Amino acid sequence: AQSVTQLGSHVSVSEGALVLLRCNYSSSVPPYLFWYVQYPNQGLQLLLKYTTGATLVKGINGFEAEFKKSETSFHLTKPSAHMSDAAEYFCAVSFGGYQKVTFGTGTKLQVIP
Amino acid sequence: DTAVSQTPKYLVTQMGNDKSIKCEQNLGHDTMYWYKQDSKKFLKIMFSYNNKELIINETVPNRFSPKSPDKAHLNLHINSLELGDSAVYFCASSPRLAGGPLGEQFFGPGTRLTVL
Repeated sequence: AQSVTQLGSHVSVSEGALVLLRCNYSSSVPPYLFWYVQYPNQGLQLLLKYTTGATLVKGINGFEAEFKKSETSFHLTKPSAHMSDAAEYFCAVSFGGYQKVTFGTGTKLQVIP
Repeated sequence: DTAVSQTPKYLVTQMGNDKSIKCEQNLGHDTMYWYKQDSKKFLKIMFSYNNKELIINETVPNRFSPKSPDKAHLNLHINSLELGDSAVYFCASSPRLAGGPLGEQFFGPGTRLTVL
């Protein structure tokens, strides 16, 4: 069965510091991978996605993620955190033949001034 | 233009009541979902419809009944509301990529249900 694990339910970084949010998945077939962001009292919106092709994908707001098949990982990074990045981040995965997307448990990012 | 809309945004009601949440998408997607997000932000899929046909029902109590009058609408009716139903309910839609996995999901703004 498909699964996705996000390490760290809470991550705190200083403004201007590197943001690293971790996501690992389990699969025996190529997945599609997504990162979503949820700001307070809002729905989820897509940050970036990996389907096929280039393994380093760039998304909105300066975020990027790298698909590493050997490590079954899809970690999200941003070189310099901004106060506006404070939100909940969800990693998600879908596989061919499955009817649903599986979401991780989320990581709350806190940015300290 | 709002891609996925839900009404109402807030719903406060007494235990035992029946309530409905409506969802509409104007993206032309074939697949629509209902998710429940609890107080710990855990997101759990409840139902999925593809072209008005139910394809996923994730062990949700029978008190929850989805209805899809057409592929642009997916409503959720809840009977005999319980305290544990308090949560944020999200509607979403996604395109089905031919022969492959599901594409990205587009979420509505959510409906915060509070059962007193």
